[in-house]
Amino acid sequence: GAGVSQSPSNKVTEKGKDVELRCDPISGHTALYWYRQSLGQGLEFLIYFQGNSAPDKSGLPSDRFSAERTGGSVSTLTIQRTQQEDSAVYLCASSLVPSGGSSETQYFGPGTRLLVL
Amino acid sequence: AQTVTQSQPEMSVQEAETVTLSCTYDTSENNYYLFWYKQPPSRQMILVIRQEAYKQQNATENRFSVNFQKAAKSFSLKISDSQLGDTAMYFCAFRGIQGAQKLVFGQGTRLTINP
Repeated sequence: GAGVSQSPSNKVTEKGKDVELRCDPISGHTALYWYRQSLGQGLEFLIYFQGNSAPDKSGLPSDRFSAERTGGSVSTLTIQRTQQEDSAVYLCASSLVPSGGSSETQYFGPGTRLLVL
Repeated sequence: AQTVTQSQPEMSVQEAETVTLSCTYDTSENNYYLFWYKQPPSRQMILVIRQEAYKQQNATENRFSVNFQKAAKSFSLKISDSQLGDTAMYFCAFRGIQGAQKLVFGQGTRLTINP
């Protein structure tokens, strides 16, 4: 594929509702990352998927956040019972992980801007 | 834990000038990677340049070059002959080679190129 794609581009929701954000990585990339960028801030790591290994969830801010990756490709980040502090841009990135090597450069999607009213 | 610090929240220069963005980091690892990403208003994070810590030679990509000082844990970005299209947020990022290999980002520098 051309690059990492994310949908929706923008999402407005009401406090307390659940939202799902989608990421389609670059074809062939086995590693997938989710990051969050709050207004005027740098990016913070949320979760990492690599192949069939158990995901690294160490960056998830609360148990309201979860993510899955189906078939080693598309990933969905779910935020339950959204709060106003969840408002941010959610960015997805993917990279190659050569056999026996460390992952290569991460390529980012355009992000989903989430606004919780 | 690794940290990345960008001490310049905003910078502004005239078109065609040279500008240097600073970045320092803290880590106990010996092997790692450093990156500069550019984020224009479109939100797309675009890789500008990458440096492997085991390489002494500074990376260069056309008008973009870095000054990598491993002992000082410094990784500055120099943009030569700046162009209006260089206007963006610039993020310095660190990635180790263990575990999740997640990127650790600085807070960013907002760079404005004036005509």
